[in-house]
Amino acid sequence: QVQLVESGGGVVQSGRSLRLSCAASGFTFTNHGFQWVRQAPGKGLEWVAAISYDGSKQHYADSVKGRFTISRDVPKSTLYLQMNSLRAEDTAVYYCARDASFYSCDHWGQGTLVTVSS
Amino acid sequence: QSALTQSPSASGSPGQSVTISCTGTSSDVGAYNYVSWYQQHPGKAPKLMIYDVSKRPSGVPDRFSGSKSGNTASLTVSGLQAEDEADYYCTSYAGSNTLGVFGGGTKLTVL
Repeated sequence: QVQLVESGGGVVQSGRSLRLSCAASGFTFTNHGFQWVRQAPGKGLEWVAAISYDGSKQHYADSVKGRFTISRDVPKSTLYLQMNSLRAEDTAVYYCARDASFYSCDHWGQGTLVTVSS
Repeated sequence: QSALTQSPSASGSPGQSVTISCTGTSSDVGAYNYVSWYQQHPGKAPKLMIYDVSKRPSGVPDRFSGSKSGNTASLTVSGLQAEDEADYYCTSYAGSNTLGVFGGGTKLTVL
């Protein structure tokens, strides 16, 4: 069955970097685009980054543009989010999600918590 | 992109129907038939309930339905059940050169 398993979250100091991973299984990785979505404590959902099914296009929220990079490793069926220059406001649960079409994400990971301390 | 507008809360008694609205602009909700709705229970990942304005993924009860008029999309939950109590988020495609945009979320309470 379809599975998305995130890892890499934790506590990090402001200004440092962290890389999140999302291991996908149970489907053809290259048939889908992927998203990273985050949710700050007690807040709503926010699209962070997206990558197209063929990896040719990436989009970012203005709040992370220039600091975060979404990428993928096709042989490993793994999605990444490289997060640099982290700020306190990046503290959130980060979810990876499989895009079925046009931001309709039909499968989600369990989420990984990133806490940025000052 | 600005967030879509949702009422913070909605409520209904078991068996009743409740409608949650989501207002965007002519650049997102009004421009594309790609509105989705997600249900999120506390501490859980979001779950896709409606996509392409009114389509239901396999396994989602037909008590959940979606529609759109102009720049406003709606999610209707009929025959409310206790397990429908959750946060609901709308989202819309906003073009090929930008991310989608979420609504702020609506907390649905089953009285």
